[in-house]
Amino acid sequence: SQQGEEDPQALSIQEGENATMNCSYKTSINNLQWYRQNSGRGLVHLILIRSNEREKHSGRLRVTLDTSKKSSSLLITASRAADTASYFCATDARGSNYKLTFGKGTLLTVNP
Amino acid sequence: GAGVSQSPSNKVTEKGKDVELRCDPISGHTALYWYRQRLGQGLEFLIYFQGNSAPDKSGLPSDRFSAERTGESVSTLTIQRTQQEDSAVYLCASSLDTTYRYEQYFGPGTRLTVT
Repeated sequence: SQQGEEDPQALSIQEGENATMNCSYKTSINNLQWYRQNSGRGLVHLILIRSNEREKHSGRLRVTLDTSKKSSSLLITASRAADTASYFCATDARGSNYKLTFGKGTLLTVNP
Repeated sequence: GAGVSQSPSNKVTEKGKDVELRCDPISGHTALYWYRQRLGQGLEFLIYFQGNSAPDKSGLPSDRFSAERTGESVSTLTIQRTQQEDSAVYLCASSLDTTYRYEQYFGPGTRLTVT
């Protein structure tokens, strides 16, 4: 079964708006990562947050992690049409610090 | 420097044939991973190589799937007697190491279609 589950499955917004995607997972983790995928091909690493961190920023991205709720959120501020992509969270369970488990992703569409 | 490369980018094969997919990781990356992504789905872990350690093959779906890696360089994923359910994008990733940095760098994938 998949560890991470993203929510919503699809999100459509206007350029300039903020986009929030959520991820829930089941077991204790070492780290949680967010990746972006364009057109069903290679993934691009966006940000990694460790289990002892609560929030992390990178440019227009903000990631939060709540280990008590086993959930994370990815916020993209001031979205652009180029942000249109699928976004996946990936977790590595404790004791398995290399095997990432991905959710099914959120398809984000940013309309110009 | 160059990123992870994969070949071929697309492969169409007939059911029952064998296929071989290739991955060239980033130079210096000791860890290499193979994933499968079916249409509209997330990534499924297949196999992991780390240096000279025995590979973790726990994600391989059947004994028709196998993979090899030469030292810390090229890896090949082989699917024997392909089935239609093998149709997917096969993604390779590499990372610097697994004890400190976990960021995986992905190749563009090979889209396999079994007819």
